[in-house]
Amino acid sequence: RKEVEQDPGPFNVPEGATVAFNCTYSNSASQSFFWYRQDCRKEPKLLMSVYSSGNEDGRFTAQLNRASQYISLLIRDSKLSDSATYLCVVNPNFNKFYFGSGTKLNVKP
Amino acid sequence: SAVISQKPSRDICQRGTSLTIQCQVDSQVTMMFWYRQQPGQSLTLIATANQGSEATYESGFVIDKFPISRPNLTFSTLTVSNMSPEDSSIYLCSVEVGTGVEQYFGPGTRLTVT
Repeated sequence: RKEVEQDPGPFNVPEGATVAFNCTYSNSASQSFFWYRQDCRKEPKLLMSVYSSGNEDGRFTAQLNRASQYISLLIRDSKLSDSATYLCVVNPNFNKFYFGSGTKLNVKP
Repeated sequence: SAVISQKPSRDICQRGTSLTIQCQVDSQVTMMFWYRQQPGQSLTLIATANQGSEATYESGFVIDKFPISRPNLTFSTLTVSNMSPEDSSIYLCSVEVGTGVEQYFGPGTRLTVT
């Protein structure tokens, strides 16, 4: 079983739509979780950390469900510029980071 | 965050040769990481490099193939040795900044081995 699993997509949505991605992880002792965004031929960029209580940053909301071992990312009012691949990252212990394979989002006009 | 640069940005190399990739950070950092991202794949951690100690390699990666140097708190190199076409990939360095474990990535080095 992979450490981190994501639906590869692509998710094709119209502008203004709300879209949600899930990511499951296998190590129940994992402590830190992140969402990164990667544009084509670019490096990953940190989008947001995911806290136990859930957190929101503008149109983006991240949530953690420890019981079911998944994290989610919700994007409201999608923009064309949100088109990218979204990577789920899990930090199970010191200096170990596992990246999901990414979920591709295409926002269409 | 941090500003991270990598050299070269891309290279095309012949099999059997070696390439050294440089990673420079604009501030002092304790932890530096080297990743590989093969075409269409996600990132795989190669090794963690602390200043003043040997790099710690992940399963499937060995020092003879991917020697790493970390001479100071702002710089690291990764060498891809005795290259084969299977080494064609993007190689990224990253750093941890601040009190959290968030990582920030360099722009990557796109390597093609012919």
